[in-house]
Amino acid sequence: DADVTQTPRNRITKTGKRIMLECSQTKGHDRMYWYRQDPGLGLRLIYYSFDVKDINKGEISDGYSVSRQAQAKFSLSLESAIPNQTALYFCATRGGGANTGELFFGEGSRLTVL
Amino acid sequence: TQLLEQSPQFLSIQEGENLTVYCNSSSVFSSLQWYRQEPGEGPVLLVTVVTGGEVKKLKRLTFQFGDARKDSSLHITAAQPGDTGLYLCAGASRDSGYALNFGKGTSLLVTP
Repeated sequence: DADVTQTPRNRITKTGKRIMLECSQTKGHDRMYWYRQDPGLGLRLIYYSFDVKDINKGEISDGYSVSRQAQAKFSLSLESAIPNQTALYFCATRGGGANTGELFFGEGSRLTVL
Repeated sequence: TQLLEQSPQFLSIQEGENLTVYCNSSSVFSSLQWYRQEPGEGPVLLVTVVTGGEVKKLKRLTFQFGDARKDSSLHITAAQPGDTGLYLCAGASRDSGYALNFGKGTSLLVTP
């Protein structure tokens, strides 16, 4: 089993619908992240969490919200999806030192908003 | 958000050639990491550099962190088809709680 699991892996939805992407990890890391990837734009940080009570906005948090239900679970929600939120979404955890720890990524969730 | 600019955006070379990919910023970073991503998968860490001027070697890959900790380079010697992928640099600073911000990536294609 993967250390970082994302569900769903693929989702097609319509404009205005609420969508939740879920992430769970078995690595025991406190730090978790949500990124989105668009062709030619690399990975952009949406939200990150250092522990259950510490959640921070990233570069592109508008239109998104998150919930850290437990150390192992970090969910990303789109309250009212729009077409420009069509992208590949990655969840990641980070262990090791605060400055040098490695990011471990899930396999990605491909979201299409029609 | 500290911007990281990577160049070139695309690179297509033949097996056996050498190449260098650059990652530049106007911001100072506490650390910089390089990741490699293959289609359909998440990025995987190649190296972390933390000291200005630091050079790290990983087989045919050589990574350098600039003296001022604002830039980095990745040099591949005698590229192989297995090196094909998207190379991403990511920087962290204390100002952002060491959250990693990524560059846009360099897409490398190595043909036999």
